Amino acid sequence: DAGVTQSPTHLIKTRGQQVTLRCSPISGHKSVSWYQQVLGQGPQFIFQYYEKEERGRGNFPDRFSARQFPNYSSELNVNALLLGDSALYLCASSYGTGTLAGNTIYFGEGSWLTVV
Amino acid sequence: GNSVTQMEGPVTLSEEAFLTINCTYTATGYPSLFWYVQYPGEGLQLLLKATKADDKGSNKGFEATYRKETTSFHLEKGSVQVSDSAVYFCALVGITGANNLFFGTGTRLTVIP
Repeated sequence: DAGVTQSPTHLIKTRGQQVTLRCSPISGHKSVSWYQQVLGQGPQFIFQYYEKEERGRGNFPDRFSARQFPNYSSELNVNALLLGDSALYLCASSYGTGTLAGNTIYFGEGSWLTVV
Repeated sequence: GNSVTQMEGPVTLSEEAFLTINCTYTATGYPSLFWYVQYPGEGLQLLLKATKADDKGSNKGFEATYRKETTSFHLEKGSVQVSDSAVYFCALVGITGANNLFFGTGTRLTVIP
């Protein structure tokens, strides 16, 4: 079975540009979350969507937005890119939400974004 | 609020040595606790988890026990291998109903032959 898939795997953008990152969750999973991992640090939560509704938002500026589609795939958009947005962006999927015992969160391999 | 404090690295061990990576947490109520591993150039993989006090998560020879009294979830392995070289992250999910994992800063483990 396919795991969490993300695209593109690597990309380079210029300051001020916009970027869209894509994620397909594991089949049957209804929740998608996005994380930013700056080099040398732990991932930081950006958004969670469950059943196409936003369920959680981390401490990120309004330049960051996301959405979930009817097939549960998701896009993360970042506008007006800054050098500090350079990071690994991770998508995670799970069947449900919250701390249910069976609600394991699985991560994709990420999209490496470099802003120059 | 929720937070995870993790033992700073890097940690370098010889093959077959005993491993402990300390993790303590702050959270409201009883969160679920996780260890994730990140191999070079890869995304995060779930290593083990525990969802209630005194639960022991285990996988691939690694173990961690959810200790409510000390708010800890230390990772241990009795005999490490070169292939265990990676970055290990302790994390928690709070009780808000959302899937927002709070991660520690990660501990880089290098195992030498």
